[in-house]
Amino acid sequence: DIQMTQSPSSLSASVGDRVTITCRASQSISIYLNWYQQKPGKAPKFLIYAASSLQSGVPSRFSGSGSGTDFTLTISSLQPEDFATYYCQQSYSTLGRTFGQGTKVEIK
Amino acid sequence: EVQLVESGGGLVQPGGSLRLSCAASGFTFRSFSMNWVRQAPGKGLEWVSYISSSSSTIYYADSVKGRFTISRDNAKNSLYLQMNSLRDEDTAVYYCARTGTGVTVPLDYWGQGTLVTVSS
Repeated sequence: DIQMTQSPSSLSASVGDRVTITCRASQSISIYLNWYQQKPGKAPKFLIYAASSLQSGVPSRFSGSGSGTDFTLTISSLQPEDFATYYCQQSYSTLGRTFGQGTKVEIK
Repeated sequence: EVQLVESGGGLVQPGGSLRLSCAASGFTFRSFSMNWVRQAPGKGLEWVSYISSSSSTIYYADSVKGRFTISRDNAKNSLYLQMNSLRDEDTAVYYCARTGTGVTVPLDYWGQGTLVTVSS
């Protein structure tokens, strides 16, 4: 199975800060990497596919990069509505589309 | 508007069974593969199962293999998860999610989830 490891597990940041979240795969997954945002008590929301392509309607302050085993999600200027938990997910292996453990972005 | 509405959750004793349903609307259900994803209380997301549009291909997470069965009825625009031999660790919110059409097949739409509690 492909394991996905996110870092950090949580972070505190202020409105306007630049935030970067890292996701590492246990083997190369090319660009088969998606990102999701989840707010408390809500279903996850799809943000980014193919490592760097923004889903329609997602603000341009979100960006993704990487390929192979190392990926990043960057929020260029954190907004109040961005405080949430973010998950990466690999879709390289059809036998198990595993998620990272999540990164909680909290208000400093 | 794409909508996915789960139902069927509840309290069940260890060893018991439960059947979850997901009603889909706002898109051509028979053209999309579907998934179940769960989230234990205070924990992260865990992919559970996948079914192709025609039901010809099915996958399960190792944690549920042999106990859970995914199925769909394209005539009724519905997805199902039959859960048998339930364990305490199956307690979670269960989401149905559509597989998108992008090259990396993201889960592009999610339901609101249904809570399954396994407890004596």
